[in-house]
Amino acid sequence: DVKVTQSSRYLVKRTGEKVFLECVQDMDHENMFWYRQDPGLGLRLIYFSYDVKMKEKGDIPEGYSVSREKKERFSLILESASTNQTSMYLCASNRGGPYNEQFFGPGTRLTVL
Amino acid sequence: AQSVTQPDIHITVSEGASLELRCNYSYGATPYLFWYVQSPGQGLQLLLKYFSGDTLVQGIKGFEAEFKRSQSSFNLRKPSVHWSDAAEYFCAVGANQAGTALIFGKGTTLSVSS
Repeated sequence: DVKVTQSSRYLVKRTGEKVFLECVQDMDHENMFWYRQDPGLGLRLIYFSYDVKMKEKGDIPEGYSVSREKKERFSLILESASTNQTSMYLCASNRGGPYNEQFFGPGTRLTVL
Repeated sequence: AQSVTQPDIHITVSEGASLELRCNYSYGATPYLFWYVQSPGQGLQLLLKYFSGDTLVQGIKGFEAEFKRSQSSFNLRKPSVHWSDAAEYFCAVGANQAGTALIFGKGTTLSVSS
């Protein structure tokens, strides 16, 4: 079974802190994705990566950066957390083209105070 | 640009009744279409997908969806809903282009009444 794990289920941070969200997949997938999920807005793509050290901006990259040093790991970084970044963050991965199923992690609920 | 619309934010269905969740997409070519389900506190799970061929696709948990090009729709159906189907459902569309990502709808929350 494909497994996508995220480092924390719940996280509470203070405004201005640097926040790291980690995602690891164990199926050698080329593509990895970070989404944020907010009520009434669905899933919005923040960044994705289709290869090690490669990244592409999604729909809402402002205030975020990413790192992919190894194929299995994709990190989302909030350089200076703000209250409007309080959200559920979902990581996903898939193999090859966009027609292949994306496998999702359980999510990290981040609260910024 | 691709887009996905799920017109219904929240639907309530009686247990045992049939279900149809609507999804409309905007895309110039033949799209890749997906339905995902998210149970409370869980990540998303793929229910079914459509790429080409038979326009009626079967998925897991007794769900099916029909691709109608003329209506730009990909509606999800189930003949008899179970209480465990209560969840949030997302329709998504993808392009036939490597290095691109899916576009998700805003979701439909399904409640099941007894």
